[in-house]
Amino acid sequence: ETGVTQSPTHLIKTRGQQVTLRCSSQSGHNTVSWYQQALGQGPQFIFQYYREEENGRGNFPPRFSGLQFPNYSSELNVNALELDDSALYLCASSLGGGSTDTQYFGPGTRLTVL
Amino acid sequence: AQSVTQLGSHVSVSEGALVLLRCNYSSSVPPYLFWYVQYPNQGLQLLLKYTTGATLVKGINGFEAEFKKSETSFHLTKPSAHMSDAAEYFCAVTFRSGSARQLTFGSGTQLTVLP
Repeated sequence: ETGVTQSPTHLIKTRGQQVTLRCSSQSGHNTVSWYQQALGQGPQFIFQYYREEENGRGNFPPRFSGLQFPNYSSELNVNALELDDSALYLCASSLGGGSTDTQYFGPGTRLTVL
Repeated sequence: AQSVTQLGSHVSVSEGALVLLRCNYSSSVPPYLFWYVQYPNQGLQLLLKYTTGATLVKGINGFEAEFKKSETSFHLTKPSAHMSDAAEYFCAVTFRSGSARQLTFGSGTQLTVLP
């Protein structure tokens, strides 16, 4: 069974640029959630996708957007990068979007904005 | 709104000593509670979760946690610390955002195990 994978592992961008992060969900999982983890903090929920539709969103501006594909892999796009966007971005997949469904996390993408 | 508070951002214990990491939650509805561990430069791994039923939950690597509704707590314990337990630990509660079941995390507790 393949776990959650993310690419790239590290990324350096400059302020104002755009970035796309990718996530492959665990086999059989149809739900993907994205989290932002700033240094020294717990992860913050960005949004969730269930069967290719956005299924909920945290307190993040519209320049954070996403997609989920028919194979349930997902992308996180961030436009007009700001210095505060520097963080570890975590993707998690689950069998469904239910409260008791365990979310399995990938290793994350470390984004640095200069 | 739901929230999670982890008391103590850093905890140090000696190898073989009891590990106790504290977590309190605030929730207007019955919570589902989770503990995750994060090793350096890695993602989060589930240690254990409480949904319903038995309030004492056993997880991987010898960890367990007890849900105490009256105290709104879900503290994580392990009887005897190993060097390999050194990591950051996050307590989380589910929170509904639309139809999504987002996880709301505490700020984490860094566990150091001293030889």
